[in-house]
Amino acid sequence: AQSVAQPEDQVNVAEGNPLTVKCTYSVSGNPYLFWYVQYPNRGLQFLLKYITGDNLVKGSYGFEAEFNKSQTSFHLKKPSALVSDSALYFCAVRDEASGTYKYIFGTGTRLKVLA
Amino acid sequence: EAQVTQNPRYLITVTGKKLTVTCSQNMNHEYMSWYRQDPGLGLRQIYYSMNVEVTDKGDVPEGYKVSRKEKRNFPLILESPSPNQTSLYFCASSADQGLADYNEQFFGPGTRLTVL
Repeated sequence: AQSVAQPEDQVNVAEGNPLTVKCTYSVSGNPYLFWYVQYPNRGLQFLLKYITGDNLVKGSYGFEAEFNKSQTSFHLKKPSALVSDSALYFCAVRDEASGTYKYIFGTGTRLKVLA
Repeated sequence: EAQVTQNPRYLITVTGKKLTVTCSQNMNHEYMSWYRQDPGLGLRQIYYSMNVEVTDKGDVPEGYKVSRKEKRNFPLILESPSPNQTSLYFCASSADQGLADYNEQFFGPGTRLTVL
């Protein structure tokens, strides 16, 4: 069965410092991995994805994530955090082997960037 | 403008009174999903549709129904709502064709439902 874990409910980081939001997953086949961001009172917005190819993927707003198959992780990173990055971040996985459009989302990590 | 729309945005109802939340997308996407968002539980998939007349259960389908009679619309139906269905609901669509460029989901603005 598919599963996603975001072990941190909240991450605090000072503006200008690097940030990491963690995600680990479990699937039976190859994973399709995604990060989405949710700003207050808004729907989710796509940040980046890993489908195949390079393990380091770059996305919107300067975010990047590294796919690590051996550690089954897909951590979200940014070299220099902005106050405007403060939001709720979700990791999601879809199992390629399932042949379905079934997605599993993590419980979310609230990122707080302090000025 | 490419978008996913949901109506209503806010709804307060009473237990047992049937309701429908509409979802429409103008991007000609084949795939659509409904999710509910609850504090501490993240997003959980209720139902999804891979094409017209093709729907399947997600992780939490109990108490919900869906239909996909047209490509652009994917309504969520609560036949007999109960208080435990009080939640924030999101519709999403995707042009997933198995290609790397088309797997992201586009989300609607959300519908906040309260069942008394």
